[in-house]
Amino acid sequence: QSALTQPASVSGSPGQSITFSCTGTNSDVGSYNFVSWYQQHPGKAPKLIIYEVTNRPSGVSNRFSGSKSGNTASLTISGLQAEDEADYYCSSYTTSSSLDRLFGGGTKLTVL
Amino acid sequence: EVQLVESGGGLVQPGGSLRLSCAASGFIFSDYWMSWVRQAPGKGPEWVAYINQDESKKSYVDSVRGRFTISRDNAKNSLYLQMNSLRAEDTGLYYCVRDSKAATSDYWGQGTLITVSS
Repeated sequence: QSALTQPASVSGSPGQSITFSCTGTNSDVGSYNFVSWYQQHPGKAPKLIIYEVTNRPSGVSNRFSGSKSGNTASLTISGLQAEDEADYYCSSYTTSSSLDRLFGGGTKLTVL
Repeated sequence: EVQLVESGGGLVQPGGSLRLSCAASGFIFSDYWMSWVRQAPGKGPEWVAYINQDESKKSYVDSVRGRFTISRDNAKNSLYLQMNSLRAEDTGLYYCVRDSKAATSDYWGQGTLITVSS
C-alpha cells in the first residue's frame, strides 16, 4: 500500500497563507473522516495539529485549519510565522490491506 | 501532563532481537488504545502495530507480522514491542503513541532509535 501523496516542499513568506495537499484513495481519505495532520520540527516528535479532518486539539493555534474534498485532504496555515517552519505529515485511517493508518511522505515548509 | 518515554533501542545485527518499552504517565493508561509508529531516517512515519485496552485486539503492518509482538501491562502503565528476526529495513526511530480516536495519535514519545546493521 502506497503512502498518501504530499508535495515534498512548499514555501511562503511571513503573514501569508499556505495550503498543503494530501492525496489518497477511496480506501482511505475519500471514504473516512479520520484524517489527521502532524507537525514535526527537526529532532522532535510529531505533534497532532488537526484530527478528524477539521478539528484542532486544545492548545493548537486557530491559524491551522483542515478540510477535505474527495480523495484529497488539505491543511491551511494562515498568518505564516517563522515558527511554523517544519515538516507536515498527513495521516488517514485505511481499510487497505492489514494497515490501520497510512501516513504521507511529508511536506517541508520553509518560511522565507 | 501526558508523558511517553521509550527505551530499549540500540544497534543490533540482522536476525537479532530487541524489546522496546514505553513508560506512560499523566493519564489513565488502561483507558487507551496504544500504537507503535516508526520513522526511517528522512522518511514519513509508518504505523507498525496497535493494541487495545485489554489486549484482545492487536494488529500489525504486513512487514512485521510474525516477527514483532505488541503487548502491554496496565498495572505498570507500560507498552512493549518485542522485535525478532530484525532486518535492515526495520531501522528507524520507534515512537510509542497514544491513540485518542481511530487512527489518530494525540501524544507521541520522543522515540527510541533502532539500527539494524552488521
